[in-house]
Amino acid sequence: DGGITQSPKYLFRKEGQNVTLSCEQNLNHDAMYWYRQDPGQGLRLIYYSQIVNDFQKGDIAEGYSVSREKKESFPLTVTSAQKNPTAFYLCASSPGRVLTFGAGSRLTVL
Amino acid sequence: AQSVTQLDSHVSVSEGTPVLLRCNYSSSYSPSLFWYVQHPNKGLQLLLKYTSAATLVKGINGFEAEFKKSETSFHLTKPSAHMSDAAEYFCVVSGGNNDMRFGAGTRLTVKP
Repeated sequence: DGGITQSPKYLFRKEGQNVTLSCEQNLNHDAMYWYRQDPGQGLRLIYYSQIVNDFQKGDIAEGYSVSREKKESFPLTVTSAQKNPTAFYLCASSPGRVLTFGAGSRLTVL
Repeated sequence: AQSVTQLDSHVSVSEGTPVLLRCNYSSSYSPSLFWYVQHPNKGLQLLLKYTSAATLVKGINGFEAEFKKSETSFHLTKPSAHMSDAAEYFCVVSGGNNDMRFGAGTRLTVKP
């Protein structure tokens, strides 16, 4: 079945550590997105990519980095520079503008 | 950049009464607009979309929305609420470069 796979589902990290969240899609979608969801703030756009080897910053890119070396993959690294990284992270892909979402990754910083 | 404002963080209705969830948008381009729903502990699901065709858009589960350019609004309505409609609803705007920006969400509560 086609879809988006995010891993891990739950992740704990210590302060000062970088962590990478995986997002893989087999839908052959060109565009991929990373969002952060916090209670009462909706989904905030971190980064998005419309084609391989290209990506743009969203509204809250500071402290995050991405790569798009393959069409199927769009990993997100949460760096130690991100001041408040504990959140629920959602990856999405789109052939145009209708988004298909993964199940999400919940990151907790201890 | 595009943005959306959802005017109510929480809406409470009684079962069988109409639902109105309000959304205003800001966009430099002719926008595409969407409503997504998120049920508790479930993924996000597309309810409906507007992409410059008919201004009144019908979606799933009896929901519809009307694009009003003069008011920069895209409010979501349903004539009669059902208990299963209780969820978080997000208005989304997309501009010329396919960035997709979400509003803060409106939590809909349906009372028996």
